Amino acid sequence: DGGITQSPKYLFRKEGQNVTLSCEQNLNHDAMYWYRQDPGQGLRLIYYSQIVNDFQKGDIAEGYSVSREKKESFPLTVTSAQKNPTAFYLCASSPGQGNEQFFGPGTRLTVL
Amino acid sequence: KNEVEQSPQNLTAQEGEFITINCSYSVGISALHWLQQHPGGGIVSLFMLSSGKKKHGRLIATINIQEKHSSLHITASHPRDSAVYICAVRSLSGSARQLTFGSGTQLTVLP
Repeated sequence: DGGITQSPKYLFRKEGQNVTLSCEQNLNHDAMYWYRQDPGQGLRLIYYSQIVNDFQKGDIAEGYSVSREKKESFPLTVTSAQKNPTAFYLCASSPGQGNEQFFGPGTRLTVL
Repeated sequence: KNEVEQSPQNLTAQEGEFITINCSYSVGISALHWLQQHPGGGIVSLFMLSSGKKKHGRLIATINIQEKHSSLHITASHPRDSAVYICAVRSLSGSARQLTFGSGTQLTVLP
């Protein structure tokens, strides 16, 4: 089945540790996105990538890093520089800019 | 003021009722999306529209570009419709890659 997978669904880390969230898609989409969702707020864009080996910062990129070495994969690293990392993280992909986005199931990160 | 405002924030309905969720935005847009987020967190795209009206099953989405307003209607609501409904717009200005999201409407349909 085609789709987007994110793993793990729940993730716990100690403060000060870096953590990497996985996002994989087999939809052959060029564009991929990472969003953060906090209670009572709309999704906010962290990073996006239009094509392999290219990515741009979104609105809240500070404390995060990404890579796009393969078309199917767009991992997000939450670094210790991120001041408030506990949140729900959603990955999405689309055939290209301006197209409908397809979302993964999300990863809930809790930093203790 | 947020660029995308949804109302109501919370809505409780009885099974079978007709439901309307509203979305107002303040910028010129190229498209508006309605999304559904279930309790587990996953998001499903319901509609993408730039004018007029779209229908899928019991769901209807309308948009009025002049008034910068969209509505999502659910006919004959069912408890399985309980979810958060999110409006998102793609602005005409700025980068075409960015969607701006509303904070969502929590819908609960009681049996």
